[in-house]
Amino acid sequence: QSALTQPPSASGSPGQSVTISCTGTSSDLGRYNYVSWYQQHPGKAPKLIIYEVSKRPSGVPDRFSGSKSGNTASLTVSGLQAEDDADYYCTSYAGYNTVVFGGGTRLTVL
Amino acid sequence: QITLKESGPTLVKPTQTLTLTCTFSGFSLNTNGVGVGWIRQPPGKALEWLAVIYWNDDKSYRPSLKSRLTITKDTSKNQVVLTMTNMDPVDTATYYCAHTLYFSGRHSFDYWGQGTLVTVSS
Repeated sequence: QSALTQPPSASGSPGQSVTISCTGTSSDLGRYNYVSWYQQHPGKAPKLIIYEVSKRPSGVPDRFSGSKSGNTASLTVSGLQAEDDADYYCTSYAGYNTVVFGGGTRLTVL
Repeated sequence: QITLKESGPTLVKPTQTLTLTCTFSGFSLNTNGVGVGWIRQPPGKALEWLAVIYWNDDKSYRPSLKSRLTITKDTSKNQVVLTMTNMDPVDTATYYCAHTLYFSGRHSFDYWGQGTLVTVSS
């Protein structure tokens, strides 16, 4: 069970859109539609922003969207705002009720 | 309102066993589909999934740590306990517990505790 691969950093200016990728394998991300994304601000607990590839929990702005193609999932943040400056982690179901996290992406709002 | 809170020692010595307790409110582990998981985060590093336990006592563990981890539940106390044996300095991390639902948002965690920092050092 290896960690999912995310770019270490991403950036964008306020109002722009940014997409963060998350790459797994055919044994985890490519096999199941149980991809989640979490936002984490420094010193805080993670917050679920996307589950089951593209569903948003109640209260999460529709500026956040998720998708998946093959072994790669993507999180798109549209209309970037200052408060989107945070770390983002993807996860995938990996079988046998186990979950694997990505290495995280630091999103900087310029 | 769902809340979770982790408790346990802040400092453990190498080779000792760590016992962490997650005390929750706003849901019951007797309810069909409910689960609680543990996730940790070494300082400055990524999140790592550790274990999960469900309402039906089904349990799963991180494969690389399976021999060291045990997760149990006490539904009367609304608590989930994680034990990790043979602690090593590399296990220094903030440990989180989190709520999950098997039938909706499976394998995602929608409510998290604040986390507790555990340092392993002699």
